[in-house]
Amino acid sequence: GQQVMQIPQYQHVQEGEDFTTYCNSSTTLSNIQWYKQRPGGHPVFLIQLVKSGEVKKQKRLTFQFGEAKKNSSLHITATQTTDVGTYFCAGPTGANSKLTFGKGITLSVRP
Amino acid sequence: NAGVTQTPKFRILKIGQSMTLQCTQDMNHNYMYWYRQDPGMGLKLIYYSVGAGITDKGEVPNGYNVSRSTTEDFPLRLELAAPSQTSVYFCASSVVSAHYTFGSGTRLTVV
Repeated sequence: GQQVMQIPQYQHVQEGEDFTTYCNSSTTLSNIQWYKQRPGGHPVFLIQLVKSGEVKKQKRLTFQFGEAKKNSSLHITATQTTDVGTYFCAGPTGANSKLTFGKGITLSVRP
Repeated sequence: NAGVTQTPKFRILKIGQSMTLQCTQDMNHNYMYWYRQDPGMGLKLIYYSVGAGITDKGEVPNGYNVSRSTTEDFPLRLELAAPSQTSVYFCASSVVSAHYTFGSGTRLTVV
């Protein structure tokens, strides 16, 4: 079946450093979504990318969809302690809108 | 709009007991989902529904049952609870091809 992969699962950065993480799919995706889960919280939708090569920005976060629509990246500029959490990517699996989620990357930020 | 509401937030069950996790949404979403989240394992789909009266199995359905009698409600039933069902359970809803809205979760411990 379709796989959505996020490696590594954990990353630690110093506050102020930049951070980039990647998401790879075994198949071409019609769209890719990113979610953030704060410690002890629930996943919250961040963004959806649909077009090949699409780039979207939310303040210090930059999201990109690959040209082949099989991968995506999330870049955080000058990380802050508020960026702490687990970031999931997800892509739709076949019919019925079911999303396949990656295992997520848990970001910790040293103040 | 309250979004997706899950009850209870926390529960401790004894082995062999049964319980129902409640999920209701007020966004008139057709699609609803149940996920479980174990540490480092991401989100695994238990059951999903594409509309009232229609449910289907996800990746890890064993030990669970669902029903969807109304658009708003999608309860998850655990029969004969086992320690392996200790997890955090998230309900989510969406419209077709759109992002998910998650509830705040139910933290279940089976002892």
